[in-house]
Amino acid sequence: GIQVEQSPPDLILQEGANSTLRCNFSDSVNNLQWFHQNPWGQLINLFYIPSGTKQNGRLSATTVATERYSLLYISSSQTTDSGVYFCAVPTGGFKTIFGAGTRLFVKA
Amino acid sequence: ETGVTQTPRHLVMGMTNKKSLKCEQHLGHNAMYWYKQSAKKPLELMFVYNFKEQTENNSVPSRFSPECPNSSHLFLHLHTLQPEDSALYLCASSQALAESYEQYFGPGTRLTVT
Repeated sequence: GIQVEQSPPDLILQEGANSTLRCNFSDSVNNLQWFHQNPWGQLINLFYIPSGTKQNGRLSATTVATERYSLLYISSSQTTDSGVYFCAVPTGGFKTIFGAGTRLFVKA
Repeated sequence: ETGVTQTPRHLVMGMTNKKSLKCEQHLGHNAMYWYKQSAKKPLELMFVYNFKEQTENNSVPSRFSPECPNSSHLFLHLHTLQPEDSALYLCASSQALAESYEQYFGPGTRLTVT
């Protein structure tokens, strides 16, 4: 089945710094989502981005489907950005495969 | 209520108890999902329902029993659980099956089995 790998696994930033999170997937996909899981466990939708680039405030994402990767950019990080960032892709049928996540901690 | 709601938010149960988790979506979606998130593991899909019909059972033990009475409600009935079943249980919904549509998640139920 499709494999999803995220890097880095852990990231510590000083408030105000920028970062790039990466998601690699092993097969072509019709859909890719980025989520932020806050410390209380809630998964928050960030982007639905099967291809191209999208921006939402300080966050932006780019998916290059032909090269099987997606990037999530966080600019001017804030302490509230802390948590775990997941990318998720559907497999054939009804399953969605989540990466293991990037755990981000932003220091004040 | 908006989005996807789950109750209870926290649950502690003994191994001989029977309890149920409830999920409700207010988005007009047709597909609903149960996921399990154990400590330091990726999210695992448990069950998928599409238009109230179960379309996926990801080799989940029979001590977990899902129920989907309509497209807005999803239950997970629990009985004779094991301590290793302690986890965060997340419900999600999408307009149709996840291959082409965004999934939206509820806040989760944090389950502890003692």
